[in-house]
Amino acid sequence: EPEVTQTPSHQVTQMGQEVILRCVPISNHLYFYWYRQILGQKVEFLVSFYNNEISEKSEIFDDQFSVERPDGSNFTLKIRSTKLEDSAMYFCASSPGQGTYEQYFGPGTRLTVT
Amino acid sequence: GQNIDQPTEMTATEGAIVQINCTYQTSGFNGLFWYQQHAGEAPTFLSYNVLDGLEEKGRFSSFLSRSKGYSYLLLKELQMKDSASYLCAVREAGRRALTFGSGTRLQVQP
Repeated sequence: EPEVTQTPSHQVTQMGQEVILRCVPISNHLYFYWYRQILGQKVEFLVSFYNNEISEKSEIFDDQFSVERPDGSNFTLKIRSTKLEDSAMYFCASSPGQGTYEQYFGPGTRLTVT
Repeated sequence: GQNIDQPTEMTATEGAIVQINCTYQTSGFNGLFWYQQHAGEAPTFLSYNVLDGLEEKGRFSSFLSRSKGYSYLLLKELQMKDSASYLCAVREAGRRALTFGSGTRLQVQP
């Protein structure tokens, strides 16, 4: 069964550094998402992406964050100048398209900012 | 804005049935999802309800009442591997983003 994949599984970075989290959504899906989950807290929506542009974003997704689909398979989240409070599990998700709304999550990247 | 409430923790016995409730308040509702999340893992899609009524899928069923802002997830013939957090999530009209509740941690005991 097709799955969303994410790399790396764990990323440790120093405060102020830039990180890029990578995702390969399910191949025929059209909508892509990033969510985060701070340890012990709820899953929070960051951004959705469709047709090569951002379709929705939350208040968390400020100028520090950006997303890109650099080729036909990858979907990336860049965090510029990381802060301690960016430490969280970052999940990529994808969903098929018009009329179908269930989102399938990848295994996540655990980001630790020191 | 949205408000989603679920019990924090529940305990049930292997082989039994458990019902996990979720209430929500939203300005424009357009679907409710249930996800399972084992500790340290990704949420896994279980069910999606947009119309009132019961949706059954194997041992898991999900119910929705739009007028009451209420849903439940019913798990039958509980197994030890069902020990996990169960997340209720709502989709607002015109959006694809999901807003998640805090989750209900279910402990299945022998």
